[in-house]
Parts: sequence; structure tokens; C-alpha cells
Amino acid sequence: DTGVSQNPRHKITKRGQNVTFRCDPISEHNRLYWYRQTLGQGPEFLTYFQNEAQLEKSRLLSDRFSAERPKGSFSTLEIQRTEQGDSAMYLCASRGGTGGVLDTQYFGPGTRLTVL
Amino acid sequence: KQEVTQIPAALSVPEGENLVLNCSFTDSAIYNLQWFRQDPGKGLTSLLLIQSSQREQTSGRLNASLDKSSGRSTLYIAASQPGDSATYLCAVEGGSEKLVFGKGTKLTVNP
Repeated sequence: DTGVSQNPRHKITKRGQNVTFRCDPISEHNRLYWYRQTLGQGPEFLTYFQNEAQLEKSRLLSDRFSAERPKGSFSTLEIQRTEQGDSAMYLCASRGGTGGVLDTQYFGPGTRLTVL
Repeated sequence: KQEVTQIPAALSVPEGENLVLNCSFTDSAIYNLQWFRQDPGKGLTSLLLIQSSQREQTSGRLNASLDKSSGRSTLYIAASQPGDSATYLCAVEGGSEKLVFGKGTKLTVNP
């Protein structure tokens, strides 16, 4: 069990460019979550997958944001036409199916996005 | 809408002191409450998870309590060490499986 991994760890981009982040959950975890954390704030929920189904999306997830989990394993989060306000740490977490809310969400190290 | 508040926002203590971090939440309809640790620029590490039916959980020098009816939780750290320096985040989970976090308490333990 290698934990949740995220790539890249850091991304610097210019305003207007598209970026894509990847999250690999703990193997056999069927639930996957994306959060965004800005400086001095706690993480805020973005979206949640159970297997390949996207079950909930936050209002924070504007039309420029899209997340996928095509085979129920890894997930990608894409931001189109980035804005300076998108600069944040993007965190991914996963959880096994059997424990449900009895178990914690295991977080990855995050991808720090800086939009210039 | 669930809101989570953590007090204090920052805390600086000498090594060896016992300390208490506070968390309050507005909606008592939760499945669980969790305490996480976050080191600068890093992800979150789960410290303790308290189910809604439980009153407290302990792990080593850490003890977390939950009073769901009053919407409060405390994290007690005994005999603090410089390695405990980090930001501590409280989060509650309701019916939608999303965690709602407070802004955290930044703890500095001075040698």
C-alpha cells in the first residue's frame, strides 16, 4: 500500500492555459475525492466519485473545471482557461468501500498550482 | 450549511506543555468528526476519527472528545514536543460524504 499519489506536485502556468492533474488512489479504494485549499484556509470539497460515477459536485466547480475517473481507478482534474484565482493546492483523497463513513479519507500530498 | 470554526487560529507554547485545541460546528447531524495534521506545503495526515456515537478517541499523546449535541470537539495534546509543530485541522462529515473543514490552528512548540 503506497498511499495516494498526485502528479505533478507543482504546476506553474500562465493565465488562460489549460492544466490537468492526476490522482492515483490507494489500490482497491472505490471512493475518490477532490478538494481545493487556498492559503490560510481549510480544504474545500470539489467533487466525489464512487467507482467511475461522479456523485457530487460543489458549486465551487465552475464550468471550467472537469473531473473524470474513467475506469474507476485513477482520476484527472482539468482546469480550462486558468485564472489567477485558481491558484491553490489541489488535494485528492481516497477511501475504501467496506468501511464507508467508519473510515477516514486518506489524502495525497497535493498539487500546488500557481497561475501567473 | 455546515460551518466549522477552530479556536485559536495560532498557538505558541514551550516544549512539554499540555494544550487544548477547540473545534465547533453548527449542524449536529454528522457521521463523524476527524482531526488532521498538516505540515507546511504537504497533504493531510489523519490523527483521530470519532464516530457520531462515540465520545472520545485516544492515540498516544492525543485525545479527542466529541459533544455532538453542543457541536463541540477538543483535541488534547499531552507533553507537547517541537515535532508537534504543524497546522491542526478539524473536519466533520455529514450525509454527503464530503468533509467540511475549519481553517485550522497553527501550533508552534518551542524547544
